[in-house]
Amino acid sequence: EPEVTQTPSHQVTQMGQEVILRCVPISNHLYFYWYRQILGQKVEFLVSFYNNEISEKSEIFDDQFSVERPDGSNFTLKIRSTKLEDSAMYFCASMPAVYHEQFFGPGTRLTVL
Amino acid sequence: AQKVTQAQTEISVVEKEDVTLDCVYETRDTTYYLFWYKQPPSGELVFLIRRNSFDEQNEISGRYSWNFQKSTSSFNFTITASQVVDSAVYFCALIVNRDDKIIFGKGTRLHILP
Repeated sequence: EPEVTQTPSHQVTQMGQEVILRCVPISNHLYFYWYRQILGQKVEFLVSFYNNEISEKSEIFDDQFSVERPDGSNFTLKIRSTKLEDSAMYFCASMPAVYHEQFFGPGTRLTVL
Repeated sequence: AQKVTQAQTEISVVEKEDVTLDCVYETRDTTYYLFWYKQPPSGELVFLIRRNSFDEQNEISGRYSWNFQKSTSSFNFTITASQVVDSAVYFCALIVNRDDKIIFGKGTRLHILP
């Protein structure tokens, strides 16, 4: 059964460093998402991506964040200069068509020291 | 504005008991979708169910059942004969028609005690 994959499973970085979180969505899906879950809190929407551009972003998704789909298979989230409060689990999701189920990856736990 | 409220932060029941997780949602849209996701200790999000706003039929899947009532804006989830493996955080969630981002509730942490 096809699934969304994410790498790495855990990333530790120093404050101020750039990180790139990688996701491989399910191959025939058209809509892509990043969500964030700070430890013990609810899952929050960051950004949605369709047709090679951002379709919506939340207030959390400021200028330090960017997304890219560089090669038609990977979908990346870049944080340019990490802050302590960026420590969280980051989930990638993909969806085949509008209003269908979003399939979530296993998450990347980001720890900023 | 859209909102999902899960008033129960944490519930503990003894194995084999039935347990209901409450979910109340807010939206002015007439077309929307409701979801339940399970997050076990390993951290991944496991899809359980999706309902659209026009389908108020209750659904049963094995030991799981869902009660959707538009009159009270609720979408409650019942686990019958709970098992220790049901221990997890359960999230209720909402997508409205003109949008595609999932709005999650804060989750209910369910402990099933042996």
